[in-house]
Amino acid sequence: AQSVAQPEDQVNVAEGNPLTVKCTYSVSGNPYLFWYVQYPNRGLQFLLKYITGDNLVKGSYGFEAEFNKSQTSFHLKKPSALVSDSALYFCAVRDEIAGGGNKLTFGTGTQLKVEL
Amino acid sequence: DTAVSQTPKYLVTQMGNDKSIKCEQNLGHDTMYWYKQDSKKFLKIMFSYNNKELIINETVPNRFSPKSPDKAHLNLHINSLELGDSAVYFCASSQDRGQGTSEQYFGPGTRLTVT
Repeated sequence: AQSVAQPEDQVNVAEGNPLTVKCTYSVSGNPYLFWYVQYPNRGLQFLLKYITGDNLVKGSYGFEAEFNKSQTSFHLKKPSALVSDSALYFCAVRDEIAGGGNKLTFGTGTQLKVEL
Repeated sequence: DTAVSQTPKYLVTQMGNDKSIKCEQNLGHDTMYWYKQDSKKFLKIMFSYNNKELIINETVPNRFSPKSPDKAHLNLHINSLELGDSAVYFCASSQDRGQGTSEQYFGPGTRLTVT
């Protein structure tokens, strides 16, 4: 089965500074990778995905992620953090189901806290 | 204009009761999902339906029974509720044509508390 790991439970960053939320993956075959954000008491919102093509993927709200095959990583980044970016971030990987179908396997989540 | 909606938003009930959560999507997607998020925010898929056909059924007690009357709706019925069922349940949908490349759209969640 495919899996992703988010090594940090929490990331703290000052507003205006760049932020990175880490994700590493373990897959057989080509990885399909996703980032989602969850604001308090809300459902998950899609940020961006890597399927194929350019290793640098741009997404919503100024976020981007870099796919690195040699390091099996897909870190989420933003050049300048905002307080409003404070939320729970999930990395996910597509996992094929025997007999057809696909599911997302999520990491454990990283709480991002952006402070003034 | 809510894309994926769930009712109710909050559900408080006693052990042993039976309850249902409803989900509707107006995105025209073919595939719908139920996820459970526990108190540690860990998110795990429970079920997935594609065009009303069950395609994913993870290791979930058979007290949980999904029903899809049409491809825009996926309901979750839970029998004989237990304390451990307390969690937030999310419905999601995607336009997945078998490749697994499509993003999923999530509902706002239903917070189930079993007392």
